[in-house]
Amino acid sequence: QKEVEQDPGPLSVPEGAIVSLNCTYSNSAFQYFMWYRQYSRKGPELLMYTYSSGNKEDGRFTAQVDKSSKYISLFIRDSQPSDSATYLCAPGGAASGGSYIPTFGRGTSLIVHP
Amino acid sequence: EPEVTQTPSHQVTQMGQEVILRCVPISNHLYFYWYRQILGQKVEFLVSFYNNEISEKSEIFDDQFSVERPDGSNFTLKIRSTKLEDSAMYFCASRTGYMNTEAFFGQGTRLTVV
Repeated sequence: QKEVEQDPGPLSVPEGAIVSLNCTYSNSAFQYFMWYRQYSRKGPELLMYTYSSGNKEDGRFTAQVDKSSKYISLFIRDSQPSDSATYLCAPGGAASGGSYIPTFGRGTSLIVHP
Repeated sequence: EPEVTQTPSHQVTQMGQEVILRCVPISNHLYFYWYRQILGQKVEFLVSFYNNEISEKSEIFDDQFSVERPDGSNFTLKIRSTKLEDSAMYFCASRTGYMNTEAFFGQGTRLTVV
C-alpha cells in the first residue's frame, strides 16, 4: 500500500466553483498534515498545515483532517484561474531524531477555467 | 522575502559524470532537505540534514549521493556517477526548527543526464 495516495486528476472546474481535493495515507504515526501547491516547473509552496485532526481555515482555503480514517481534504471556495496548479498532500511525523519530513502524494492537477 | 535559492536552474551532464547541485537555504534555518521529482511523478524525499550531519535518508539516497554544508551557507548534493535515471528536478528545502513545520522549497534544478 502506498504511503500517501491522491487522485492525479486532472480536475477541471469553472471559475467560482467549490473544489474538494482529497488524500489518504497509511502511516498512523503522521501528526502534521500539509498541503502544498506546485505550479508547473516550480518548487512546492506551502498552502496550509494542520496538526492532528480537525479543520483549519485560511481565506478561501479549508484543510480538514480525519486521523481515524486517515483522510485529508482541502477545500477551495470561489476558485480562480490562478488556483490552477498541482496540489500536493504532504503528511508527516516526527521521524527519528525529531525531524519532520513531509511525505508527498503524487498530487492532484486542478484546472480552473474562466 | 527570504527564499531558498538553487543553482544552476538546469544542468546537463553525461552519464557517469559527477554533478554538484547547490542550494542556499534561508539564513536562520536549521533543517535542510533534498527531494527529487522525476517528470510526471511525485516529489520524493532523499535526505535531511541537521547539525552538520544526515538525520534521515531514503532508500533512494545510496552511496552515489552525498550532501555537504561546506561553508555554513551553501548546502550541496553531489551525485558521483550519474545515471540516466537520475534525470529529474531536484528540490532543496529548509525550515527553522523542530517545532516549526513549514519547509520552504527552492525553485529546483533540472538535471538531465544524457
